[in-house]
Amino acid sequence: QKEVEQDPGPLSVPEGAIVSLNCTYSNSAFQYFMWYRQYSRKGPELLMYTYSSGNKEDGRFTAQVDKSSKYISLFIRDSQPSDSATYLCAISTGNTGKLIFGQGTTLQVKP
Amino acid sequence: DGGITQSPKYLFRKEGQNVTLSCEQNLNHDAMYWYRQDPGQGLRLIYYSQIVNDFQKGDIAEGYSVSREKKESFPLTVTSAQKNPTAFYLCASVGGGNIQYFGAGTRLSVL
Repeated sequence: QKEVEQDPGPLSVPEGAIVSLNCTYSNSAFQYFMWYRQYSRKGPELLMYTYSSGNKEDGRFTAQVDKSSKYISLFIRDSQPSDSATYLCAISTGNTGKLIFGQGTTLQVKP
Repeated sequence: DGGITQSPKYLFRKEGQNVTLSCEQNLNHDAMYWYRQDPGQGLRLIYYSQIVNDFQKGDIAEGYSVSREKKESFPLTVTSAQKNPTAFYLCASVGGGNIQYFGAGTRLSVL
């Protein structure tokens, strides 16, 4: 069993749709949860960062962590064509700098 | 202008040749990482370094080598022993909260 499993997609939605991206993890020691966005042929950039269970909102983006279910989600409201990218979840125990990445979900938002 | 600089952006390797990918950071971060990204496989860890003059193998270190002589620099050599080197290579440095900051990547292809 992989430490982090991410819905692989690809995902194609119309502009304005609500998007839900999800990851599950197996180790309850993980404490830090991140979402990275990667545009084609570019390096990943940090989108959202959470430390505990609950929701964190930043504009159209909401990150949700459910430690009891070992489940993390990223919601995108009012999706735009500029949101078209690959989204990677990443988790860490915090004891080292190592991150465990999901395989990524490629999202296309059609105008 | 702080960040991670990877060079070159594109690199071509001939059979039997070693090639070196450059990664420089001016963020004053201690830890640096190298990843390989293949389509649909997310990021796989090649090598990482927590401090100058020290580095550890990641999950797919075979056929690669690194050095860490300076805090700012963490070059990756893809040796002739790496039989399938075609991939997108990403370098990252680690800031507070285990957040990793990525360079723009190097795309390596075999001639």
